[in-house]
Amino acid sequence: NAGVTQTPKFRVLKTGQSMTLLCAQDMNHEYMYWYRQDPGMGLRLIHYSVGEGTTAKGEVPDGYNVSRLKKQNFLLGLESAAPSQTSVYFCASSYSTLAGGPNNEQFFGPGTRLTVL
Amino acid sequence: AQKVTQAQTEISVVEKEDVTLDCVYETRDTTYYLFWYKQPPSGELVFLIRRNSFDEQNEISGRYSWNFQKSTSSFNFTITASQVVDSAVYFCALIGKTGIYNQGGKLIFGQGTELSVKP
Repeated sequence: NAGVTQTPKFRVLKTGQSMTLLCAQDMNHEYMYWYRQDPGMGLRLIHYSVGEGTTAKGEVPDGYNVSRLKKQNFLLGLESAAPSQTSVYFCASSYSTLAGGPNNEQFFGPGTRLTVL
Repeated sequence: AQKVTQAQTEISVVEKEDVTLDCVYETRDTTYYLFWYKQPPSGELVFLIRRNSFDEQNEISGRYSWNFQKSTSSFNFTITASQVVDSAVYFCALIGKTGIYNQGGKLIFGQGTELSVKP
């Protein structure tokens, strides 16, 4: 099993450009998440999905869109990148959530380092 | 509100020393889970342990041990006989059954503690 993979690993954008980050998991997990990690702020949830075809806003959703067309994939889009979106982006997945009890730990991808100039 | 506080921003120890990383949490939920993740210099996040709010038993896994105390809302992590490979940022996190994130399982992260183990 590859677990959770993310592409690309690094990207540099100019202000106003758009891009899509791809997350894939091969663990048949229902739940998927996008976080951003900034110095001194830990990880913050951008968007999440509780199943194929569903998405929901997290803590810091502005400037991002997501799609979950297939169970194994969760895409994060930046329509018009801004320097404030310079960050490391992590995708995660889990078998269940708190409501489901055990097996609710989230498994993380290796991260995408994005710089917006 | 839910919150996780890791008051120690950076800790530096010499190899073979024991070190404890502190984690204090806040939640109004009676059902919740606590986690520890390790982020080595390579950047990935590695799951270490999960503990639910109804299980206050301490846990030991090799050189790692965790002390969960509901009375003080703490979930501290101790590394015994530290090694250079333990150098990483360690995150404590919480999932509580609260509000609109009930179905989403939102993880609340602390700010992390950077542990440096010197040879």
